[in-house]
Amino acid sequence: GAVVSQHPSRVICKSGTSVKIECRSLDFQATTMFWYRQFPKQSLMLMATSNEGSKATYEQGVEKDKFLINHASLTLSTLTVTSAHPEDSSFYICSARGNSGSVLVFGPGTRLTVL
Amino acid sequence: QKEVEQDPGPLSVPEGAIVSLNCTYSNSAFQYFMWYRQYSRKGPELLMYTYSSGNKEDGRFTAQLNKASQYVSLLIRDSQPSDSATYLCAVNLNNDMRFGAGTRLTVKP
Repeated sequence: GAVVSQHPSRVICKSGTSVKIECRSLDFQATTMFWYRQFPKQSLMLMATSNEGSKATYEQGVEKDKFLINHASLTLSTLTVTSAHPEDSSFYICSARGNSGSVLVFGPGTRLTVL
Repeated sequence: QKEVEQDPGPLSVPEGAIVSLNCTYSNSAFQYFMWYRQYSRKGPELLMYTYSSGNKEDGRFTAQLNKASQYVSLLIRDSQPSDSATYLCAVNLNNDMRFGAGTRLTVKP
């Protein structure tokens, strides 16, 4: 089946630094990937849609200059949290459409803690 | 009205119980219906998906879709402690996904 991986699984950084999170589709090509954020005991919140070879589409209220998305290949999308602050601490999850096209496959998530 | 609504929970049941998780949706045009299971600090994993009214069974899990009434439910038989997780209902229209807030389930041994 379709598998999506993320790296790193957890990261702790100092306030003001930038953090890059990678999302890979391991056994299929994903022209579109999605980035979600999830706060404790809350549901998934879509941040942006990442399109291979073009600019990402951001949801309302998500700062595109703060959350940089690069989808440089059909199997890799990256999310860079720039100038991270403690309020950016969250669980970041990426996903891609599996081979069926209509079902999302999620990565294992990345827990970001900003001190 | 939210597009996808789930019973808020949390739900706590004894091991072996039958659990029914319910989800209603507001747009009759939604095409695909999915249940995801999310363990604490993990990404959601797909449990089942369906697109036609009726029941779809996979082991101890049954997804029940009623398009006329616009609800989809997940039935878990012989629940196990390992089923303790948050269950997310998701619907899809033209590849635009919408998620419910999730129902947290605890199965006590």
